[in-house]
Amino acid sequence: DIVMSQSPDSLAVSLGERATINCKASQSVLYSSNNRNYLTWYQHKPGQPPKVLIYWASTRASGVPERFSGSGSRTDFTLTISSLQAEDVASYYCQQYFSTPWTFGQGTKVEIK
Amino acid sequence: QVQLQESGPGLVKPSETLSLICTVSGVSITDYYWSWIRQTPGKGLEWIGYIHYTGSPNYNPSLKSRVNISLDTSKNRVSLNLTSVTSADTAIYYCARVMFEGSGNYFDLHWLDPWGQGTLVTVSS
Repeated sequence: DIVMSQSPDSLAVSLGERATINCKASQSVLYSSNNRNYLTWYQHKPGQPPKVLIYWASTRASGVPERFSGSGSRTDFTLTISSLQAEDVASYYCQQYFSTPWTFGQGTKVEIK
Repeated sequence: QVQLQESGPGLVKPSETLSLICTVSGVSITDYYWSWIRQTPGKGLEWIGYIHYTGSPNYNPSLKSRVNISLDTSKNRVSLNLTSVTSADTAIYYCARVMFEGSGNYFDLHWLDPWGQGTLVTVSS
């Protein structure tokens, strides 16, 4: 199984400041034949279902604000919120879909400082 | 707009079978892959398995001996059965659509979107 490890577990950031979440895979999730990283980021707010933010490691899903961006390749990935807004308080999860069993990071809880 | 809604008993006794249904609206279940995922306090998000109407389900090896996912195309529903449950199976259970590319004999499966609201299942006597 590919183990996904996120850091930090929680993060408190002032409104308008940058939030950075890291995700490390135990093996590469880059598929060489199409040069795509099989990595997605979800946002999960209490009482709501997880919502996809980023797929292919860096492609923003439809309707996702530009302040959310994803980067990285192979085993190391980052989700950045460039200017934290109150509505961004949530838990964030990375997930690999490179191979089954699909696996998730343990989550990072983002709060307002 | 695709919508998913999980339903089923909120309380299941140890050693019994957990049975949930995911009712899909806005799209035919024959057009996509469908997955179940659960969230527990101890293990976080855990992928349970996925299914497509043309092929065999794919299950997480950690649950494979106890899980069955099936489709009811007449009712546009996806079902989950998990046998011999213990307290470790207490979780919020989600169904989700699997995005994919391909056709015929080749399918490349991608991210999960959208997810249902989830349903809490507690295993307790």
